[in-house]
Amino acid sequence: DAKTTQPTSMDCAEGRAANLPCNHSTISGNEYVYWYRQIHSQGPQYIIHGLKNNETNEMASLIITEDRKSSTLILPHATLRDTAVYYCIVRVVDDYKLSFGAGTTVTVRA
Amino acid sequence: IAGITQAPTSQILAAGRRMTLRCTQDMRHNAMYWYRQDLGLGLRLIHYSNTAGTTGKGEVPDGYSVSRANTDDFPLTLASAVPSQTSVYFCASSADGPNNEQFFGPGTRLTVL
Repeated sequence: DAKTTQPTSMDCAEGRAANLPCNHSTISGNEYVYWYRQIHSQGPQYIIHGLKNNETNEMASLIITEDRKSSTLILPHATLRDTAVYYCIVRVVDDYKLSFGAGTTVTVRA
Repeated sequence: IAGITQAPTSQILAAGRRMTLRCTQDMRHNAMYWYRQDLGLGLRLIHYSNTAGTTGKGEVPDGYSVSRANTDDFPLTLASAVPSQTSVYFCASSADGPNNEQFFGPGTRLTVL
């Protein structure tokens, strides 16, 4: 059973904010939301993670709804190098496994 | 600092042959992982090790074995390769527990004929 649901693909314009949605309606209280991305032919790259508070780092912001059933990854100023597959992952505390789904293919266009 | 290195970069292997994929990290991370990625799919965990001397099974462990003799190295062995093991294999590591970010290597593309 899929723990997260993401759109298959989305386009965004270079220089604009990219908002990537993720639904995780069955998330439990001990599960974190993680985001990774995979640029073509490379290994995945960690972006950000959170439990219930919004988080921001140098790459992105993570907005988690109050009921924790969905979240949005925000790339504030998308560049062509942000073109990648973005994975939203729900992960149990103390579980070593990252379960990758199909992700969202994001294409940033000039 | 290299981070995580994997070898070989790619390999074509005859079915039935034994193959070891190598993974080395220089970040002194306690936890290491092996994933496979098949065309159009996300990564699936094969085996993991949360510290030197211990290993655990992931989602798809059958046909694979691992060892963790020291902190830096985590080889993945296919004892008798089959065509369904054709895939891209990624090694990863993380520091001090499962909730820390995982750092991934560049991958090994394996084709079993």
